[in-house]
Amino acid sequence: QITLKESGPTLVKPTQTLTLTCTFSGFSLSTSAVGMGWIRQPPGKALEWLALIYWNDDKRYSPSLKSRLTITKDASKNQVVLTVTNMDPVDTATYYCAHTMGSISWSFDYWGQGTLVTVPS
Amino acid sequence: SYELTQPPSVSVSPGQTASITCSGDNLGGKYACWYQQKPGQHPVLVIYQDTKRPSGIPERFSGSNSGNTATLTISGTQAMDEADYYCQTWDSSTGVFGGGTKLTVL
Repeated sequence: QITLKESGPTLVKPTQTLTLTCTFSGFSLSTSAVGMGWIRQPPGKALEWLALIYWNDDKRYSPSLKSRLTITKDASKNQVVLTVTNMDPVDTATYYCAHTMGSISWSFDYWGQGTLVTVPS
Repeated sequence: SYELTQPPSVSVSPGQTASITCSGDNLGGKYACWYQQKPGQHPVLVIYQDTKRPSGIPERFSGSNSGNTATLTISGTQAMDEADYYCQTWDSSTGVFGGGTKLTVL
């Protein structure tokens, strides 16, 4: 049974750096063709793909946010971390982590419950 | 950057067929997937690799992808299918979501 849970601050001030941790169970991020991604959703708006890290430590970032994002993994701790620098009120959103595999063409088949991060104006 | 376009809303009567489209340049040359999201919940994958259903997804959900358009079809739509639906694909090794479609079952 795969489970994922996001954790981190619920309130971040403008210009600060956001650090979110996804702790998972039921699979290993050391297994070939497995990946973990981050997706966010501003209140009442659409999903936005942010970043993905593969089992082999290859990484992909949204082109529009690439300069501000860093994704890392600690397979031994079953954790993936996303950092977002220079936070702004427009970054207010629910942030999700999600599991993916090559066998499903890197679709996200398991999701965390999400964590709402607010950046006050 | 690559964009996926979905209609903001689609309405359907119970028992009828709902079709939700997702358009992008040569989308048929890429894999598309679809997610269902109900209020206050995380998205759920309902179609991957254009046409495949994950375990536990009802057979009334189906998908197609050709040319510039991917389509999610829900046959015999039920009230429980009322939700937001998002398409997603890959371009230049990064993911892209569509803007979402609100499906209303009237």
